[in-house]
Amino acid sequence: GAGVSQSPRYKVAKRGQDVALRCDPISGHVSLFWYQQALGQGPEFLTYFQNEAQLDKSGLPSDRFFAERPEGSVSTLKIQRTQQEDSAVYLCASSLRLVKYNEQFFGPGTRLTVL
Amino acid sequence: AQTVTQSQPEMSVQEAETVTLSCTYDTSESDYYLFWYKQPPSRQMILVIRQEAYKQQNATENRFSVNFQKAAKSFSLKISDSQLGDAAMYFCASGLGFGNEKLTFGTGTRLTIIP
Repeated sequence: GAGVSQSPRYKVAKRGQDVALRCDPISGHVSLFWYQQALGQGPEFLTYFQNEAQLDKSGLPSDRFFAERPEGSVSTLKIQRTQQEDSAVYLCASSLRLVKYNEQFFGPGTRLTVL
Repeated sequence: AQTVTQSQPEMSVQEAETVTLSCTYDTSESDYYLFWYKQPPSRQMILVIRQEAYKQQNATENRFSVNFQKAAKSFSLKISDSQLGDAAMYFCASGLGFGNEKLTFGTGTRLTIIP
């Protein structure tokens, strides 16, 4: 079976442009997470979905960041009016959420560079 | 809030030798999970090993084992018989499981294998 996929793998944006990053989770996975990984750092939590419900968005750095998962499968992370500090790798992860602990499976990430 | 600290930015080990990566964490919760993830240059995070805090027995997965010291809030990873394919960034992470599934990561340790 296919793993978590993300597109595009690389995105270059001019400062002020809007970008949309896509995540296709593993089929049937209920939980979906977005993390931001700055250069030389560990991933930091952005937001979490259970099916189509966004249950936690405490990690979104500003109101320029918006995420959705309208049908409970594919998710899109949108960044409006990009700034240089948004440059990072954006990782998506999904999990089954059947038992108390559920392994998160990660995608390859999208590297965003804002010029 | 949870915090995870990795104090070794880089480590190196001779092929076939053993290496230990350090991690300390802080949490006020009594029930939590600890993880070691591997991130090769391809960027795809791969779960190496996990430990449930309520279990006293240290987790092992083939050549990978942990030394979990709950009172000291220490969670180190031991890699035995190091192989060239073990070269990667290694991240320690913590999570609370059901209801609060986001992961908190450390800053990582870059492991180099010397042939």
